Amino acid sequence: DSGVTQTPKHLITATGQRVTLRCSPRSGDLSVYWYQQSLDQGLQFLIQYYNGEERAKGNILERFSAQQFPDLHSELNLSSLELGDSALYFCASSGRVGGNTDTQYFGPGTRLTVL
Amino acid sequence: AQKVTQAQTEISVVEKEDVTLDCVYETRDTTYYLFWYKQPPSGELVFLIRRNSFDEQNEISGRYSWNFQKSTSSFNFTITASQVVDSAVYFCASNAGGTSYGKLTFGQGTILTVHP
Repeated sequence: DSGVTQTPKHLITATGQRVTLRCSPRSGDLSVYWYQQSLDQGLQFLIQYYNGEERAKGNILERFSAQQFPDLHSELNLSSLELGDSALYFCASSGRVGGNTDTQYFGPGTRLTVL
Repeated sequence: AQKVTQAQTEISVVEKEDVTLDCVYETRDTTYYLFWYKQPPSGELVFLIRRNSFDEQNEISGRYSWNFQKSTSSFNFTITASQVVDSAVYFCASNAGGTSYGKLTFGQGTILTVHP
């Protein structure tokens, strides 16, 4: 158990809909990362937050947005969903003060299926 | 930009065989970190090892060992006396150092199947 939690575990929705994925980082970790894993693209970095501020952006679509709240949990919002958005979405965290700040620990993922 | 290449898409071995998973990385950063993650059939990503660019010492952890060679930009992973429970997808990854909070760039993964 990495200590990172993600909800829900599975999500099935229809095209055009909007969903929210939630992540709670390991206790003490300040950074949260979102990744998308699909068969054709592999594991792709989407976005990173550090202590509530956006730190880095990757291949994140404009239809997707994220935020990190004062309690450090994060949400990834996916809107106007398309079939191609079906994927496994991972959250990871790192940056525990006094610990190994470079290693990212991953949550169990949310499997999104868009029908 | 960083790039990680895992040339082996799939490897199949019989239990107790040794197996090496190859990883080649490209980076212009002088400080960087390399990682291996395991993704078992259940789907989660499990951290195995982290190595920084200044530390070329090989590492052994039980049946696992890692060989980091800057001269060939490789960070290979060997499982000795493989077991069925080692069956998983293994990912090599890198991130740029300096900030300590960089995104991970992953290879395409190697599917390892260990047959009884």
